[in-house]
Amino acid sequence: GAGVSQTPSNKVTEKGKYVELRCDPISGHTALYWYRQSLGQGPEFLIYFQGTGAADDSGLPNDRFFAVRPEGSVSTLKIQRTERGDSAVYLCASSLGAGAQETQYFGPGTRLLVL
Amino acid sequence: TQLLEQSPQFLSIQEGENLTVYCNSSSVFSSLQWYRQEPGEGPVLLVTVVTGGEVKKLKRLTFQFGDARKDSSLHITAAQPGDTGLYLCAGVYYGQNFVFGPGTRLSVLP
Repeated sequence: GAGVSQTPSNKVTEKGKYVELRCDPISGHTALYWYRQSLGQGPEFLIYFQGTGAADDSGLPNDRFFAVRPEGSVSTLKIQRTERGDSAVYLCASSLGAGAQETQYFGPGTRLLVL
Repeated sequence: TQLLEQSPQFLSIQEGENLTVYCNSSSVFSSLQWYRQEPGEGPVLLVTVVTGGEVKKLKRLTFQFGDARKDSSLHITAAQPGDTGLYLCAGVYYGQNFVFGPGTRLSVLP
């Protein structure tokens, strides 16, 4: 079956612009996570959805970052007024349910470069 | 902020050698996971350990969770070039979400 897909695979933008990154989770997965991975680092937690609601958004770095999941499936991560420091790979993962022992299935990521 | 440390940061070995990589924290995990990530892809879950002292084996990979649940190790026997990748540990602290370590980048040379 289809895994987690993310679009676009690459995004180049200019400082100050607005970007949207999309995640299509595995069908039927209720939990969805967003992470950010900088070069040479492990993924850094941003936000977690259970269904349509953000269960934990404590990892969002500031109010320029926002994510939605209006129908409990596809999610969009939105970044306003992008900065060069936002350049990273943005990873999305989904799991069947919530919980520390659930298997998270990751997408291939969106590589964001802010010039 | 909880921090996970992984060592070594980089490891380059010859095919057939054995190796061990480590994951450490000053805090107690409720559970810990190991992932492998290849370039251009997302991490793939290898194992989840939950009980202190737990040992799990996955073919040539052996995972151990420390008795105090603050550390873990991954041992690979007779490494193969296909084992090359970034090995990440991710800990769950009570009531919090996953925290990933920086990873160990393994290169197995033929």
